[in-house]
Amino acid sequence: QVQLVQSGAEVKKPGDSVRISCKASGYPFSTYYLHWLRQAPGQGLEWMGVISPNGYGTGYARNFRGRVSMTKDTSTNTLYMDLYSLRSDDTATYYCARDSDIRRGDFFDLWGQGTLVTVSS
Amino acid sequence: DIQMTQSPSSLSASVGDRVTITCRASESINRYLNWYQQKPGKAPKLLIYSTSSLQNGVPSRFTGSGSGTDFTLTISSLQPEDFATYYCQQSYSNVALTFGGGTKVEIK
Repeated sequence: QVQLVQSGAEVKKPGDSVRISCKASGYPFSTYYLHWLRQAPGQGLEWMGVISPNGYGTGYARNFRGRVSMTKDTSTNTLYMDLYSLRSDDTATYYCARDSDIRRGDFFDLWGQGTLVTVSS
Repeated sequence: DIQMTQSPSSLSASVGDRVTITCRASESINRYLNWYQQKPGKAPKLLIYSTSSLQNGVPSRFTGSGSGTDFTLTISSLQPEDFATYYCQQSYSNVALTFGGGTKVEIK
């Protein structure tokens, strides 16, 4: 079954870091770009960044540069997103999503189920 | 970054109605415009990409059109399962992918 399965909900304090994982199955992991997006409660979608199929290339949205790191482990078909120096406004559901095109189309045809990160003192 | 503005932000409609949602980009994005449907507590689902291409498995009652800065998503005959929030997304600027604010389609 083609799917992305994310790690469970997290509760963090301001200043903490969080790592979210996203395990892919059912398709060639090292063929597609993968993206991270987030959605604050009751709000719209925000793109955070992308990682290349081989994991050597990344591109981050301006709002997150210097505070985010995206990596992948091809031996376990797992994608990771680390977000540092958490603030209360980082409270959101975080999604991994597969790019629809192996050449990178920048739209998303397969999504993880989402991981809620709550940042609160 | 390219700003995407959707209208309306919400609408009420009945089953069988024709529904149109618009999305405007702050600058020309050619036809690099995609549409998603999101139901409460679920991840978004890709409906239409590149303005008018229907994603596999999406019913043909969903159509997209437009170019440049103005785009529309039309549902020709609203079905009960279509009540959801719809988002447009530009993929023209690949260093800053952005979404519209969403349109919530509710039951009248």
